Amino acid sequence: SQKIEQNSEALNIQEGKTATLTCNYTNYSPAYLQWYRQDPGRGPVFLLLIRENEKEKRKERLKVTFDTTLKQSLFHITASQPADSATYLCALGQAGTALIFGKGTTLSVSS
Amino acid sequence: GAVVSQHPSWVICKSGTSVKIECRSLDFQATTMFWYRQFPKQSLMLMATSNEGSKATYEQGVEKDKFLINHASLTLSTLTVTSAHPEDSSFYICSARAPQTTDTQYFGPGTRLTVL
Repeated sequence: SQKIEQNSEALNIQEGKTATLTCNYTNYSPAYLQWYRQDPGRGPVFLLLIRENEKEKRKERLKVTFDTTLKQSLFHITASQPADSATYLCALGQAGTALIFGKGTTLSVSS
Repeated sequence: GAVVSQHPSWVICKSGTSVKIECRSLDFQATTMFWYRQFPKQSLMLMATSNEGSKATYEQGVEKDKFLINHASLTLSTLTVTSAHPEDSSFYICSARAPQTTDTQYFGPGTRLTVL
């Protein structure tokens, strides 16, 4: 069955540094990959979508890469701020189907 | 942007009672809605896919008679947890997809269910 792994449960970094989160998957060929932010007790908020034929996507301080050969996506937050502290979820999808989510990585940015 | 609401945001009930959770798309019509359940420090687990006007499709292991889903209109889907038990306590989240954006799902804020 398909499996999604996000490299670590928790990541602690200093304000101003770049946070890099990893999402690996097996037994699946997604048409696209999405990253969401989830705050405690809240639903996920969509951040970025990257398709299988795209290598990189950027949005403000966020950057996502997608390597279908390695079956891996990297999610970067540059110039991180304490307000970026949250759980970040990786999700895989194919056209017309529901998303499959990873467990998430909880990022803590200290000032 | 697309907004999805859920009601109630939290509910506490006694074991054996039924609880209804509403999911509404506020500014778009959602042909498909999804219901997820999330336990602490776990990923979102898909429970069922709901298409307007038809029966929901349940994931393996999800009891359709226990988790009743009704998608009666293009802006409203409901999840009823029947005869709730403490093990049903969880965070329930719905999402909706608009017809023109087949890849993007917009999530509601979630409903925290606690069964005593």
